[in-house]
Amino acid sequence: ETGVTQTPRHLVMGMTNKKSLKCEQHLGHNAMYWYKQSAKKPLELMFVYSLEERVENNSVPSRFSPECPNSSHLFLHLHTLQPEDSALYLCASSRTGSDEQYFGPGTRLTVT
Amino acid sequence: QQQVKQSPQSLIVQKGGISIINCAYENTAFDYFPWYQQFPGKGPALLIAIRPDVSEKKEGRFTISFNKSAKQFSLHIMDSQPGDSATYFCAASSWGGNQFYFGTGTSLTVIP
Repeated sequence: ETGVTQTPRHLVMGMTNKKSLKCEQHLGHNAMYWYKQSAKKPLELMFVYSLEERVENNSVPSRFSPECPNSSHLFLHLHTLQPEDSALYLCASSRTGSDEQYFGPGTRLTVT
Repeated sequence: QQQVKQSPQSLIVQKGGISIINCAYENTAFDYFPWYQQFPGKGPALLIAIRPDVSEKKEGRFTISFNKSAKQFSLHIMDSQPGDSATYFCAASSWGGNQFYFGTGTSLTVIP
């Protein structure tokens, strides 16, 4: 499989649940990103990992916890989310120092 | 504070017409300006990008015009086709930086 893949594609969870989003890139990149996309708002950068180390954390609430075990995989662990966290969560990857980011299809998250 | 302002929010164009989407930025440190195209159910895909050392870049029917003094850039889609119907995002970043700033998106509909 090529490009950037994300699983699951859709997720419905209650506010007390714990779930994880998974991202995998097959492009040989070494930087990975999590974005949140809400309707009529700009994409919001949440986390950046470069060479498996977190380099950006844009004041994201602690109920979102990223994990990057290697340069090909990225996780977003979710717990005690709020309804306003419902959004499309996008993963992207790039080569370190390159501007070109490649996005996955996203996970549509609904918090009930 | 929104770093990149995009307009219009939505656009309807006849097949064969020209679609024009505009973006403006404030930070003069930005030196990379990509446009992304997003279809429903898909992640954003890099369409075309420009650096401020040129005023125009053309790839097929897609052209970026860049005005450094006005801090504005725009996407022109020539001979618009129904298959171009999608949401378009502009973005800006500093070269090699991890932080991308996205516009709010323009929903383009090309009617036959």
